Amino acid sequence: GESVGLHLPTLSVQEGDNSIINCAYSNSASDYFIWYKQESGKGPQFIIDIRSNMDKRQGQRVTVLLNKTVKHLSLQIAATQPGDSAVYFCAENIEGAQKLVFGQGTRLTINP
Amino acid sequence: EPEVTQTPSHQVTQMGQEVILRCVPISNHLYFYWYRQILGQKVEFLVSFYNNEISEKSEIFDDQFSVERPDGSNFTLKIRSTKLEDSAMYFCASSATRRGAFFGQGTRLTVV
Repeated sequence: GESVGLHLPTLSVQEGDNSIINCAYSNSASDYFIWYKQESGKGPQFIIDIRSNMDKRQGQRVTVLLNKTVKHLSLQIAATQPGDSAVYFCAENIEGAQKLVFGQGTRLTINP
Repeated sequence: EPEVTQTPSHQVTQMGQEVILRCVPISNHLYFYWYRQILGQKVEFLVSFYNNEISEKSEIFDDQFSVERPDGSNFTLKIRSTKLEDSAMYFCASSATRRGAFFGQGTRLTVV
């Protein structure tokens, strides 16, 4: 069915450490994935995307990895900063569809 | 940087009343969306709109909901007779292609 889920609802990391947020998806017809960051009271903010014909994409301090074999997506944040504290959602776009299916979200907390 | 703008930021309405949520998508975008997020939960797709017609809609988007693009810039979501369970954050989003979406800051709808 159409579902995107996350392994952990919360993640706490030390400032300066790397963070890894995971996401499992179930629809093998999904061909495009996005990570969003949502701060309290705000809308989802686009972080990085990846197409299904890729397995890795890098941005500024962020890397997304896609493993289609096990239907797994991860977001790596390097040198985590206090401003990275937020809820992170993965979202998938099923091929041919004009909508995103969101996962449950992971709350990332940065410890000083 | 271009952004999706939504008004109002907060709307309180009585059960049974009609509400209209307004959005100005990013100017060169062609695809428009409404999503909602009940407090503490994931973001849920409501409807997508392209070429002046609905492309897809979810089960949530029943006969009480409608969307309109009355002019070249605005995109509205109308709820004809609000119910308590319609209380949520409503996010408008837009995109230049069928993939992905950039979100506004949301309208918090409270039905009392």
